[in-house]
Amino acid sequence: AQKITQTQPGMFVQEKEAVTLDCTYDTSDQSYGLFWYKQPSSGEMIFLIYQGSYDEQNATEGRYSLNFQKARKSANLVISASQLGDSAMYFCAMREGPGNTPLVFGKGTRLSVIA
Amino acid sequence: EADIYQTPRYLVIGTGKKITLECSQTMGHDKMYWYQQDPGMELHLIHYSYGVNSTEKGDLSSESTVSRIRTEHFPLTLESARPSHTSQYLCASNLGGYNEQFFGPGTRLTVL
Repeated sequence: AQKITQTQPGMFVQEKEAVTLDCTYDTSDQSYGLFWYKQPSSGEMIFLIYQGSYDEQNATEGRYSLNFQKARKSANLVISASQLGDSAMYFCAMREGPGNTPLVFGKGTRLSVIA
Repeated sequence: EADIYQTPRYLVIGTGKKITLECSQTMGHDKMYWYQQDPGMELHLIHYSYGVNSTEKGDLSSESTVSRIRTEHFPLTLESARPSHTSQYLCASNLGGYNEQFFGPGTRLTVL
């Protein structure tokens, strides 16, 4: 079974609008970490934001915030005030257990920002 | 800025050749990983290491091998390249726990 599910293969958003990228996860561990990465067309992986399973507050980093709903096992990424440079692939990932397991990635969502 | 390096960045070779993709990091991270990724697709874990002399196979069946003789160096070797190996290979490392995983710039491999 997929541990990380990203159901939106592609998304479009108007410049300056907010967009939510969906991510659901599957784990039986109580302790885990959730990550979002951005991959522009150049291919590098850029870390955006992290949420720990015990964190009570939703993580925020500048224009990025993570809408963490533990009971629903969802960790959606919200990008506010979209910019043209936000056009990229976005990957949700999880590390389970005590943190010594490899990151598992979802299939990604391609975001296109329209002027 | 991540201090993790991969060489070569681009490589075009013929079928049957032996190649080694290099990955080095200067952050002193024990944990290192290799992922394979086709353009615009998901990342597949092919190998990882939790420290010197430790190597494990990942989820994707791969005809590659890795070694970890030094903390900072984690090379990936294909003994006999095939067109099916054409892909991007991403190296990564992290300190452990839930710390950020840093990625190298990737090697884009084309096997003719």
